[in-house]
Amino acid sequence: SQTIHQWPATLVQPVGSPLSLECTVEGTSNPNLYWYRQAAGRGLQLLFYSVGIGQISSEVPQNLSASRPQDRQFILSSKKLLLSDSGFYLCAWSLPSGRIVNEQYFGPGTRLTVT
Amino acid sequence: AQSVAQPEDQVNVAEGNPLTVKCTYSVSGNPYLFWYVQYPNRGLQFLLKYITGDNLVKGSYGFEAEFNKSQTSFHLKKPSALVSDSALYFCAVRGDSGAGSYQLTFGKGTKLSVIP
Repeated sequence: SQTIHQWPATLVQPVGSPLSLECTVEGTSNPNLYWYRQAAGRGLQLLFYSVGIGQISSEVPQNLSASRPQDRQFILSSKKLLLSDSGFYLCAWSLPSGRIVNEQYFGPGTRLTVT
Repeated sequence: AQSVAQPEDQVNVAEGNPLTVKCTYSVSGNPYLFWYVQYPNRGLQFLLKYITGDNLVKGSYGFEAEFNKSQTSFHLKKPSALVSDSALYFCAVRGDSGAGSYQLTFGKGTKLSVIP
């Protein structure tokens, strides 16, 4: 069966510090990968998605970036955090898009607090 | 552009009573619809999806949803609510045409509270 991991679970970082959040998926190959941010425990905002190694699409321009160095690894980064970057970050995966519409499966999330 | 509306921020229901969480959508082309549930400080869990076929979709934990094309709705239902159903529920949609239609668009969520 497939599993998705995210770490760290919680993170407190000062403004201006760098960020690296990691997501890995097990039990599947060539998944689509997604990074979302959830603010105030409500709506989800899609930040980045990837359909393959090195292929990243950004949905929202901001000071965050994403990378996919390996097939099942997705990393969210920032060089300098802002207060507004605080939130709950969720990684998700789905089977590759094609003729079948596939649901996304979410990781446990990382709670980021920027102070 | 595709969008999802969950008109109720919160729904309260007594344990044992039927529950409904409402969702309406707007997409280009045919809709693909999803429901997710989120417990506090956890990721989202997939409940069910509508792609095509029977308008009544059955999912996990006794939940079901009814697709209504004329009303562009996909309401989540359960015949008898449990206290453990208390959580945040998200409706999501993607279309089969138009720019960005292959990405899921989520509603803002509805908090369901089941009262013992």
